[in-house]
This record gives sequence, structure tokens and C-alpha cells, in this order.
Amino acid sequence: KNQVEQSPQSLIILEGKNCTLQCNYTVSPFSNLRWYKQDTGRGPVSLTIMTFSENTKSNGRYTATLDADTKQSSLHITASQLSDSASYICVVSRTGNQFYFGTGTSLTVIP
Amino acid sequence: DTGVSQDPRHKITKRGQNVTFRCDPISEHNRLYWYRQTLGQGPEFLTYFQNEAQLEKSRLLSDRFSAERPKGSFSTLEIQRTEQGDSAMYLCASSTHLAGANVLTFGAGSRLTVL
Repeated sequence: KNQVEQSPQSLIILEGKNCTLQCNYTVSPFSNLRWYKQDTGRGPVSLTIMTFSENTKSNGRYTATLDADTKQSSLHITASQLSDSASYICVVSRTGNQFYFGTGTSLTVIP
Repeated sequence: DTGVSQDPRHKITKRGQNVTFRCDPISEHNRLYWYRQTLGQGPEFLTYFQNEAQLEKSRLLSDRFSAERPKGSFSTLEIQRTEQGDSAMYLCASSTHLAGANVLTFGAGSRLTVL
């Protein structure tokens, strides 16, 4: 069964600290994996996209990793800011234009 | 191009009324998706168009829901005889197949509140 699981479900960290969010998937055949940030009441916005051959990709303070062998991805946020408070959703695309969504990790950054 | 646009952003209606949402995808994207998202949950797939053809519908899409994309450009999602359980964020996304990497771009969503 094609599934995407994210952990933790929620996370609270102090401003300035780092954190790592996890995404495990069983989607096959794999096309790509995207991390989205979704602010409350807004649509998801893409942070990174990773294809099968990519291991690491950075976007500012966000760094995503992908291990295609173990079917795991992580999103590392460095020096967190209050504006990082949001839901982070992992979306895995299957060849043939099918998308599978995780339920998201809710991140709260507190001062 | 300004990305995927959705209208209205917010809609409050009374139970039993009909509502319609509009989505304008990125112009060169031939694929358009509708999702529903409730608080604390990830988006749930509703339906998918390739050009003007509706290729897939979720079982979540009851007979009160209908979606169209008449000219293969903008799409509408209509909910008839709304129920309180229809309250959710309705997200539209568009995509195109580029060099083997499917790209899914979301709109800002239309939030529906049914009283």
C-alpha cells in the first residue's frame, strides 16, 4: 500500500534552536518527494523537491535529505524563527502523476 | 504568471445553500486537482482533471459535489445542499509533467464555513 508517514505529529521548540522532521514512505514507483510549509489558513507552499538521485537539497535555513534505499526523508530547520511556526507536509509523487500526502508535522516556535 | 488563484478565499453559508469555488491554475499546467483539508489533517484528494477531462474522482466526492473544467483552463467546484460537515479548506493545485518530475503547485485555498 502506498503510504506516507510523518513524525513527530507536533513539535514545540525555542526560537533559535534547530529541529528535524521525518517522513517515511512506501510509495512505489517513486518519482519525487516534496516538502511543503503550510501556514494556518493558507495553502501549502513548496520548500524543496527531491528526485531519486538527490541526497541533500538546501533552501536557506531548510535542508532536506533523501535516502531512497530506506525510503526516508528528513527536513532540518536551522536557527528556527517564530515565522517557522506552521504545518510541514511531505508529499511523495508516484510515476504516473499520483501524489501521496503525509498528515503533516505541526511546528510551534516559541520565544 | 501569478501562480494558482482561488476565489473566494472565504465563504460562510447556511446549511442547505449551494456554493461554488473557482480555481485558475498556472497557465501552462494541463493538470488540475481539488483537495479538501480539515483542521489538523493533510489534504484529501477529491478529483483530478487533465485538460478538460475529469480523469479521477475520490469516493469523498459525493453526489452533492460536482467539478468542471470546461475549456481546460479554470475549474469550478460546486457543493449543493451544503452540510456542516462540508466545512473545510478546499485547495486547488495544478501540475505539469516536466522532465520526469511532477510538480504540484497549490493555491491559497478557499475556506468554507457552513452554519
